[in-house]
Amino acid sequence: NAGVTQTPKFRVLKTGQSMTLLCAQDMNHEYMYWYRQDPGMGLRLIHYSVGEGTTAKGEVPDGYNVSRLKKQNFLLGLESAAPSQTSVYFCASKTGSSGGHEQYFGPGTRLTVT
Amino acid sequence: GEDVEQSLFLSVREGDSSVINCTYTDSSSTYLYWYKQEPGAGLQLLTYIFSNMDMKQDQRLTVLLNKKDKHLSLRIADTQTGDSAIYFCAESFSSASKIIFGSGTRLSIRP
Repeated sequence: NAGVTQTPKFRVLKTGQSMTLLCAQDMNHEYMYWYRQDPGMGLRLIHYSVGEGTTAKGEVPDGYNVSRLKKQNFLLGLESAAPSQTSVYFCASKTGSSGGHEQYFGPGTRLTVT
Repeated sequence: GEDVEQSLFLSVREGDSSVINCTYTDSSSTYLYWYKQEPGAGLQLLTYIFSNMDMKQDQRLTVLLNKKDKHLSLRIADTQTGDSAIYFCAESFSSASKIIFGSGTRLSIRP
């Protein structure tokens, strides 16, 4: 099992450019999450999904969109990047089975917007 | 609202015990967690405790939960250089989305 993978690992964007971050998991998990990590602020939830074809807003959704067309993939899009979106982005997944509560994290994508 | 707070830094001597503390505000959580993040990597679950437990021990790790004071701690016995990392406290709730992270404590080890 590869677990949770993220592509790309690094990216530099100019203000106004768009990009998509891909998260893939091979654990057949129902729930998937996108977080951003900023210095001294821990992780903040951007969007999440409880199953294929469903998405919901988290704590800091503005400026981002997501899609979950396949159960194993969760895409995070930035339509018009801003310097405030410079951050490290983490994807996570979790089983929907009762008793399953651990979130498994990907290695992160470091995004710089200039 | 919900909040999870941790001190930002801790420095200990190799071989000593490390104690990382965390306080939280929402007592309706179901689980409380300690995650470890090594440089350039994602978060890895170290250990967790049910919200109705007081203590959990797992090899060198001891988690203590004081529900009255809403205080969670992680003790690492015989701290090694490989324990250098950022440690995040987190609490989860019954809904799929709700997990609140602290800002992380950076543990550094002195020789």
